[in-house]
Amino acid sequence: TQLLEQSPQFLSIQEGENLTVYCNSSSVFSSLQWYRQEPGEGPVLLVTVVTGGEVKKLKRLTFQFGDARKDSSLHITAAQPGDTGLYLCAGARGSARQLTFGSGTQLTVLP
Amino acid sequence: DVKVTQSSRYLVKRTGEKVFLECVQDMDHENMFWYRQDPGLGLRLIYFSYDVKMKEKGDIPEGYSVSREKKERFSLILESASTNQTSMYLCASGGTPQETQYFGPGTRLLVL
Repeated sequence: TQLLEQSPQFLSIQEGENLTVYCNSSSVFSSLQWYRQEPGEGPVLLVTVVTGGEVKKLKRLTFQFGDARKDSSLHITAAQPGDTGLYLCAGARGSARQLTFGSGTQLTVLP
Repeated sequence: DVKVTQSSRYLVKRTGEKVFLECVQDMDHENMFWYRQDPGLGLRLIYFSYDVKMKEKGDIPEGYSVSREKKERFSLILESASTNQTSMYLCASGGTPQETQYFGPGTRLLVL
């Protein structure tokens, strides 16, 4: 059982559409990160959210951390083919030194 | 520019062979990590190290061992490779869990 569940697992949309990816858990996280991974590369950090209810924007990407710090969402406005990739959420819990990663959402944006 | 490098991008090994995967970081990070990545399962932590010669088991350490003799280098060892260890292996380094983890490009290992 994954500690962090991401949905949907796969998403294929047309250029210009909006989308939301979810990252849910029954556990509380002290912080949550979102990474994007392109084929043949390692994941690259997009954002870190720390405070419950926090919203961060990165151009057309909006990240939200749930009030209870158990869930997070990533919303992309007017998706572009360059947004194609695997999106991973990762949470830090308590005093643990390591992150827990979600199962990932594979996004394909068609031109 | 920060960098995490992995010794090989692709490896093909036979069942029972000993396999070494090496990772080097140039950011003077205390923490280094080895993950495996399989479709639908995300990244699963194998082992991590928070200091030279220190290691801790992650979620799936069985069949693997690690070595950290120098701060910048973290090695993953498959003592006797098996077909179920065919996977993508990713190394990362970082500071605290709230800070960025920097990943290498990965090693795609095929065990025949």
